[in-house]
Amino acid sequence: EAQVTQNPRYLITVTGKKLTVTCSQNMNHEYMSWYRQDPGLGLRQIYYSMNVEVTDKGDVPEGYKVSRKEKRNFPLILESPSPNQTSLYFCASSSWDQYSDTQYFGPGTRLTVL
Amino acid sequence: AQSVTQLDSHVSVSEGTPVLLRCNYSSSYSPSLFWYVQHPNKGLQLLLKYTSAATLVKGINGFEAEFKKSETSFHLTKPSAHMSDAAEYFCVVSPTNAGKSTFGDGTTLTVKP
Repeated sequence: EAQVTQNPRYLITVTGKKLTVTCSQNMNHEYMSWYRQDPGLGLRQIYYSMNVEVTDKGDVPEGYKVSRKEKRNFPLILESPSPNQTSLYFCASSSWDQYSDTQYFGPGTRLTVL
Repeated sequence: AQSVTQLDSHVSVSEGTPVLLRCNYSSSYSPSLFWYVQHPNKGLQLLLKYTSAATLVKGINGFEAEFKKSETSFHLTKPSAHMSDAAEYFCVVSPTNAGKSTFGDGTTLTVKP
C-alpha cells in the first residue's frame, strides 16, 4: 500500500530535549516536505527536499533541521524544542511529474513541548 | 513569490444546497493549484488539482473548481452538499514540478441537516 508514515504519532517532551520525528514514504517520490499546522494558520511549510541531499527552507524553518540521506526518509529534527513548537506536524511526498505532483500526506504527529 | 487567500474562514450550508469555497492566489509564474480536504482528526486528502490543462477541474466526491487567470481565482464548488462534506478545506499554490508550497488558512465547512 502506497503511504507516508510518521513516527511518533504523539509526543510530549520538555523544553530543550532534542527530538526527531521520522518520515518515510514507499512511493519512490523525489519530493518530500514538512509542515506544521496551527489553528487559524493553515499549514505552513517548514522545509522541503527536491531529492537526496537537496533541501531548502520553507516559510517557517527557524528551530528545525532536516536531512535527506535516502530517498525514502526525511526526518525532522528539533535540536532544542521550545513551547512555541507545540503543533501538529505533517510530512508529505510527491513525484516530480507536473501531471502527478499531488502531495501525499502522512497521518500527522502531535507534538507538545512543556 | 506566491500567496493564497481563502476568502471565508467559515462557510455554513444546508444539506442539499450548493457549496462555494473561495480562493484567490498570486504567483510570479504559472502555478499548480490544489484543493485538499481535512476531516476532523484526519490527515489531508487531495480533492482536485489544476496543472495548466483544462481550466474546469473535476475532483472527487462531486467537487469542481474553475481556474480563472484573469481573476487569479480557483474557487471550489459542489452542486449539493452532503453531511459528510463537513470538514476543513485548504487551497494550495505551488510551482509546477513541486518546490515551495503555500497553503491558505483554511475554510471550515459546516453542513446543517
